[in-house]
Amino acid sequence: DVKVTQSSRYLVKRTGEKVFLECVQDMDHENMFWYRQDPGLGLRLIYFSYDVKMKEKGDIPEGYSVSREKKERFSLILESASTNQTSMYLCASSFPSTGGAGGYTFGSGTRLTVV
Amino acid sequence: GQQLNQSPQSMFIQEGEDVSMNCTSSSIFNTWLWYKQDPGEGPVLLIALYKAGELTSNGRLTAQFGITRKDSFLNISASIPSDVGIYFCAGREIQGAQKLVFGQGTRLTINP
Repeated sequence: DVKVTQSSRYLVKRTGEKVFLECVQDMDHENMFWYRQDPGLGLRLIYFSYDVKMKEKGDIPEGYSVSREKKERFSLILESASTNQTSMYLCASSFPSTGGAGGYTFGSGTRLTVV
Repeated sequence: GQQLNQSPQSMFIQEGEDVSMNCTSSSIFNTWLWYKQDPGEGPVLLIALYKAGELTSNGRLTAQFGITRKDSFLNISASIPSDVGIYFCAGREIQGAQKLVFGQGTRLTINP
């Protein structure tokens, strides 16, 4: 069964901490994405990557960075966690969108609470 | 960034009722997708639509790609308790990176 695995389901961190959220996919997908999900706001794209060592900003990149050293792994980094970063974080992956085909495969999410 | 307008934001229905939700956009998309998110899980793809006017069914689910390419709807017939969750529409950008743009979600609650 193909999978996108997020390392933690729940995290509690203190304000100012550096936080790493890890995501691994086993489908040999080129594309990987990080979203945050907040009630009433849907899924908002933080960063995405189309290849190893490549990254592009999404709609809300402020306060975040990413790392993609290997094709299967895409890490989201909160440089200095703040309470307004308390949210559900979802990782997704996909093949390139050639021909308009293919959706994203999502992980189960990491619910991060910053106190 | 781009956004889709998804409505309604929430629905409270009785088991057995039919459900309808829709998404609209000011931009044209070349693909529309519908996802469902169960509580505590990530979204899972339900239906994908690739052509304007396309009508596709998956069991009790039916979705259509609007002929203007700016809208889509999802219908669920004869709802059951396991239909509870959040439903997201998504459109694929035509230009640029061709990323998916998501709607705000419709939270479906079913009273038995």
